[in-house]
Amino acid sequence: QSALTQPPSASGSPGQSVTISCTGTSSDVGAYNYVSWYQQHPGKAPKLIIYEVRKRPSGVPDRFSGSKSGNTASLTVSGLQAEDEAQYYCSAYPGNDNLIFGGGTKLTVL
Amino acid sequence: QLQLQKSGPGLLKPSETLSLTCSVSGDSFSSNRYDWGWIRQPPGKGLEWMGSIYYSGSVYYNPSLKSRVTISIDTSKNQFSLNLNSVTAADTAVYYCARGGAIGAYFDSWGQGTLLIVSS
Repeated sequence: QSALTQPPSASGSPGQSVTISCTGTSSDVGAYNYVSWYQQHPGKAPKLIIYEVRKRPSGVPDRFSGSKSGNTASLTVSGLQAEDEAQYYCSAYPGNDNLIFGGGTKLTVL
Repeated sequence: QLQLQKSGPGLLKPSETLSLTCSVSGDSFSSNRYDWGWIRQPPGKGLEWMGSIYYSGSVYYNPSLKSRVTISIDTSKNQFSLNLNSVTAADTAVYYCARGGAIGAYFDSWGQGTLLIVSS
C-alpha cells in the first residue's frame, strides 16, 4: 500500500489561512471517511487534531478544520498562530485492516 | 495515559530482536472500543503504522512488516508489547505506542516515544 501524498512544505503569515492536501486513491481516501490529521512538534509525539475527515477531538481549536473531495483530503488552519508551526501528517484507512500515513507537511508560520 | 518501556538497551545489533512494552493507565484498556497500536518514525522521516491489537487479543499487522512483527497483550498488567525480529539499520526509529479508535481510524492518545538504534 503506497503512502498518501502530501506537499513537503506549506507556509502562511500570522492570521492567514493555509490548506494542506493529502492525496490518496479510490481505495483509501476516496473509499472511507477514515481520514485523520496529526500535528507534531519537534521531539514530541504526534497529536490528533482531526479524525473521520472533519471531526475535532475535545480541546482542539476550531481554527483547524478538515474536508474531503474525491481522493483528496484537506486540512485548513485558519487564523495562523506561531504555535501552529509544526509537521502535519494525514492518515487514511485503505481497507483490509490496515492504516497508511502521508509523508508529512512542514508548516511554517512566516 | 500510555507509558512506553524499553526491554533492553536502546542500541541493537543487526539480526537482534527489538522488544518494547507499553503500559496503559485508565479504564479504557479493557474496552473493545479501542485498539492499541505501534507506530514508528525513522529519524527525519514520516510515520509508519506497524500493527494494532484489541483487548480481546485480535491483532492486525502492517503487511510490509507482518513476517517480522509480533504484538501481544497482557490484560492482567494493562500492557501490550511489540517484538520485531531480525532488525536492520532500516528499523532505526522512534517507536510510539498509541490508543486507536478502531483499526485504520485514528490514534487519539500517544506514548512518549523511544528511540531505538540498530547498528553494528
